[in-house]
Amino acid sequence: AQKITQTQPGMFVQEKEAVTLDCTYDTSDPSYGLFWYKQPSSGEMIFLIYQGSYDQQNATEGRYSLNFQKARKSANLVISASQLGDSAMYFCAMREGNGNNRLAFGKGNQVVVIP
Amino acid sequence: EPEVTQTPSHQVTQMGQEVILRCVPISNHLYFYWYRQILGQKVEFLVSFYNNEISEKSEIFDDQFSVERPDGSNFTLKIRSTKLEDSAMYFCASSGPGQNTEAFFGQGTRLTVV
Repeated sequence: AQKITQTQPGMFVQEKEAVTLDCTYDTSDPSYGLFWYKQPSSGEMIFLIYQGSYDQQNATEGRYSLNFQKARKSANLVISASQLGDSAMYFCAMREGNGNNRLAFGKGNQVVVIP
Repeated sequence: EPEVTQTPSHQVTQMGQEVILRCVPISNHLYFYWYRQILGQKVEFLVSFYNNEISEKSEIFDDQFSVERPDGSNFTLKIRSTKLEDSAMYFCASSGPGQNTEAFFGQGTRLTVV
């Protein structure tokens, strides 16, 4: 079964606009962590932001914020004031608190920022 | 800023040959991982390594694969007899202790099996 679902098609966003990338997850574990990574065309995986399942507040990291809705099992990434350098694939991932540290990744969202 | 480094960045190998992919994790991290990403697909977990032994492996990580930490700094992934379907980007990652620490990824090794 899919643990992380990212179903949006490729997105075009105007420079300086905000964009929201959807991510839903599936777990029965009460303790888990949610991560977003950026993969530009050069291929590396860049950590963006983390949200713990017990965190009371939504995580923020500069222009990145995570809209965490626990009851709906969603962890959407919001990128504010998009820049051309934000064009990339964005992956949502989850680590469950079952003693293992593996990350389960979604299929990714493609974002293209246009001037 | 500390980072995970991987060598080589690209490797082309003939089917049936052995390859070793190398990684230097961040020095104070305790967990080490290998992931792979077949072109255009999602990132898949292969194996995690902690305290000098495999802590978890996926169904992809069969007898063809092995990992080693030969010294205090390197972490290697060996594929014994490569197949065409092993062509992928292989990422090494490391993280500190605990659940609430992010995994930092290396820049990847693109393996092409011909």
